[in-house]
Amino acid sequence: AQSVSQHNHHVILSEAASLELGCNYSYGGTVNLFWYVQYPGQHLQLLLKYFSGDPLVKGIKGFEAEFIKSKFSFNLRKPSVQWSDTAEYFCAVNEGYGGSQGNLIFGKGTKLSVKP
Amino acid sequence: GAGVSQSPSNKVTEKGKDVELRCDPISGHTALYWYRQSLGQGLEFLIYFQGNSAPDKSGLPSDRFSAERTGGSVSTLTIQRTQQEDSAVYLCASSRQRGDSYEQYFGPGTRLTVT
Repeated sequence: AQSVSQHNHHVILSEAASLELGCNYSYGGTVNLFWYVQYPGQHLQLLLKYFSGDPLVKGIKGFEAEFIKSKFSFNLRKPSVQWSDTAEYFCAVNEGYGGSQGNLIFGKGTKLSVKP
Repeated sequence: GAGVSQSPSNKVTEKGKDVELRCDPISGHTALYWYRQSLGQGLEFLIYFQGNSAPDKSGLPSDRFSAERTGGSVSTLTIQRTQQEDSAVYLCASSRQRGDSYEQYFGPGTRLTVT
């Protein structure tokens, strides 16, 4: 069965620090990869996604992620965080073939707290 | 345009009672997904619909859980004889079609507390 691991439960950074959140998945086939963000009191929203092509993908608000197939990883990065990035971040995968039902398998999330 | 809506936003119920949770997907979205977000378990997939059909119910945690969708639109998740372990936030998402390539848009969730 597929699974997604996010190794950091809670990350605390000061503004302007660089961010990297780890995500590893276990699945032998083709996958699509996603990062979702949940700001306090808001619903889940898509930050970025990888389907194919360039393994370095850019998302909203200056976030990017790199797919490294050999490491089964899809780490999220941002060069300089802001207080407004305080949120919970979820890595997710689904099976990457046309007949899949598309349901997402999520990691347990990483809470990011940015100190002003 | 309007996003995915869910009702109620909060529900407190006594153990043993039945509850119904409602999801209104984005208009025109044919695929609808239910997930559950609970402490310690993270986000779990429950069931999906393509149109009114739910081909795979294996994600439902027990036979107390059921879901239906009517008119290719609104979906209801029903939990019978609620237990304390059912306490969680129930999330609904919709996408234009079933499958891997379509972004899922999430609703705000229903927070269920079973006392």
